[in-house]
Amino acid sequence: AQSVTQLDSQVPVFEEAPVELRCNYSSSVSVYLFWYVQYPNQGLQLLLKYLSGSTLVKGINGFEAEFNKSQTSFHLRKPSVHISDTAEYFCAVSDAGGFKTIFGAGTRLFVKA
Amino acid sequence: ETGVTQSPTHLIKTRGQQVTLRCSSQSGHNTVSWYQQALGQGPQFIFQYYREEENGRGNFPPRFSGLQFPNYSSELNVNALELDDSALYLCASSLLGTGDYEQYFGPGTRLTVT
Repeated sequence: AQSVTQLDSQVPVFEEAPVELRCNYSSSVSVYLFWYVQYPNQGLQLLLKYLSGSTLVKGINGFEAEFNKSQTSFHLRKPSVHISDTAEYFCAVSDAGGFKTIFGAGTRLFVKA
Repeated sequence: ETGVTQSPTHLIKTRGQQVTLRCSSQSGHNTVSWYQQALGQGPQFIFQYYREEENGRGNFPPRFSGLQFPNYSSELNVNALELDDSALYLCASSLLGTGDYEQYFGPGTRLTVT
């Protein structure tokens, strides 16, 4: 069975500082990995995805993530955050058929001025 | 291109009642998935419909059921509502068969069961 663990429930950070949101997954088969962002009272928006190929994936809004198969991790990073990045971030894993997506519990990123 | 829409935005029901939530997929998408997001938690997969057939199901009881229509819009029906059914219900549409796997989410329906 697949599972996703987001290691931090909340991450406070000052504006223009770097940030890393950590995600570990478990799966016995090949997986596809995703990061979504959810702003208050909105649905989820895809930040980036790893399907295959280069392990460093670049997404929207300056975010990037690195797939590490040996450590079963898919951490999200941004070199300099803005106030507008304050939101909930979800790591997710999907099976190879795309039939079922499992989400982590989320990490609340709070950017302070 | 029209995005994913859901109706209603908010809904209040009483325990034991039945509810129907609606979702209109993004144009051209053939798959819709439904998720339940309880307060402070990540979305939990309920089920997925592909070409009007259920294509996968999460750990939800049979009182959660769904439909997908020929125009790829979808309904989520919940019978015998329980207090724990209070949550944000999200639908997401996608295009299976292209190797993309990106899901496009609607804004959700906030269901409160009293």
